Amino acid sequence: NAGVMQNPRHLVRRRGQEARLRCSPMKGHSHVYWYRQLPEEGLKFMVYLQKENIIDESGMPKERFSAEFPKEGPSILRIQQVVRGDSAAYFCASSPRRTEETQYFGPGTRLLVL
Amino acid sequence: AQKITQTQPGMFVQEKEAVTLDCTYDTSDPSYGLFWYKQPSSGEMIFLIYQGSYDQQNATEGRYSLNFQKARKSANLVISASQLGDSAMYFCAMREVSRGGYQKVTFGTGTKLQVIP
Repeated sequence: NAGVMQNPRHLVRRRGQEARLRCSPMKGHSHVYWYRQLPEEGLKFMVYLQKENIIDESGMPKERFSAEFPKEGPSILRIQQVVRGDSAAYFCASSPRRTEETQYFGPGTRLLVL
Repeated sequence: AQKITQTQPGMFVQEKEAVTLDCTYDTSDPSYGLFWYKQPSSGEMIFLIYQGSYDQQNATEGRYSLNFQKARKSANLVISASQLGDSAMYFCAMREVSRGGYQKVTFGTGTKLQVIP
């Protein structure tokens, strides 16, 4: 049973470009969470999605950031017009149920903005 | 107030010795859970151990045990017989149930553990 998959593992962008980060949850999981880890810090919640719905985006910056989890395909975290401060590791986690205790993490995508 | 506090930015331990990593938490929710994750230099988050607030016994997983003191709101991780491969960042995290009925997880700032040969 494959775990949570994220791609790319590393992404380099120049300021002003767009970054698209993909997350494929574990098989049978329909709940996805995105976290951001700035250098030397812990993970911070960004957004929680179920299939086709954003449930909680309270941790996501209001501008330039968006997330989706379509009926088919992976969840996408999109960052438009990236700035140097967006450089971080972005982790996706999934769970099979809303009330599931454990979230299973992917390996993360490391975004570097030049 | 911080929901999860890890007061030790860095720790050293001699190989084969035991080490305790501290974690205190703050919540008014009667039902919550506490996790520890390991993050090696390669960057992935590895789940180590989980303790539910209603669990009567302290959680154990191999060389990892969670010293859960509910009245003190602490959930320290104990690693016994340290190995060189234990050198990593360790994060304490807490899950609470949000108003929407789903799990919301908050992470501490981490403790960097270095095992000395």
